[in-house]
Amino acid sequence: EVQLVESGGGLVQPGRSLRLSCAASGFTFDDYAMHWVRQAPGKGLEWVSGISWNSGSIGYADSVKGRFTISRDNAKNSLYLQMNSLRAEDTALYYCAKGLRFLGYYFDYWGQGTLVTVSS
Amino acid sequence: DIQMTQSPSSVSASVGDRVTITCRASQGISSWLAWYQQKPGKAPKLLIYAASSLQSGVPSRFSGSGSGTDFTLTISSLQPEDFATYYCQQANSFPLLTFGGGTKVEIK
Repeated sequence: EVQLVESGGGLVQPGRSLRLSCAASGFTFDDYAMHWVRQAPGKGLEWVSGISWNSGSIGYADSVKGRFTISRDNAKNSLYLQMNSLRAEDTALYYCAKGLRFLGYYFDYWGQGTLVTVSS
Repeated sequence: DIQMTQSPSSVSASVGDRVTITCRASQGISSWLAWYQQKPGKAPKLLIYAASSLQSGVPSRFSGSGSGTDFTLTISSLQPEDFATYYCQQANSFPLLTFGGGTKVEIK
């Protein structure tokens, strides 16, 4: 059974940093692209960042480019999101999502999310 | 950037109704489109990918069509468990993927 478990969220002041983690199990992690998608309270979905199976291809939404860094450790079956210079508008539930096999830009499994609140 | 516009933003329907949701891309995306269903407090669920391919385990009452800039998600006979919010997502322009604003399907 595929499982994605996010952690690392919490309350943080504007301008500070936070690192999210996603522990994956139930599939061959290093065969798949992985992504972060967020959802602000009461709002729609926003793709944040994605990374290919071998970290050779990485992308970011314009809203986080230069502030967030995605990475993965295939030996640990883990995905990460380093978030720097956080802003109030980064407040959201952050989901880790697995890409489809060979069509990694579609998301077939999602975690339950970790909540990030940016506030003074 | 490619913008995705969904319509309507909400729809009221009854069990058994046929429901159609539209998604329009600001530029052509071929068939690089997915549809997701999200229920309150839950993570999204992939329904359709590549515009018309049904994800494994998804009931056949869900179907997708379209290419280029105009796409539709159709629920042929609405069931009680289908009341949810639906999102389209374009996958044409990695490294910049975008979602539509969502369509809430409510009980009439």
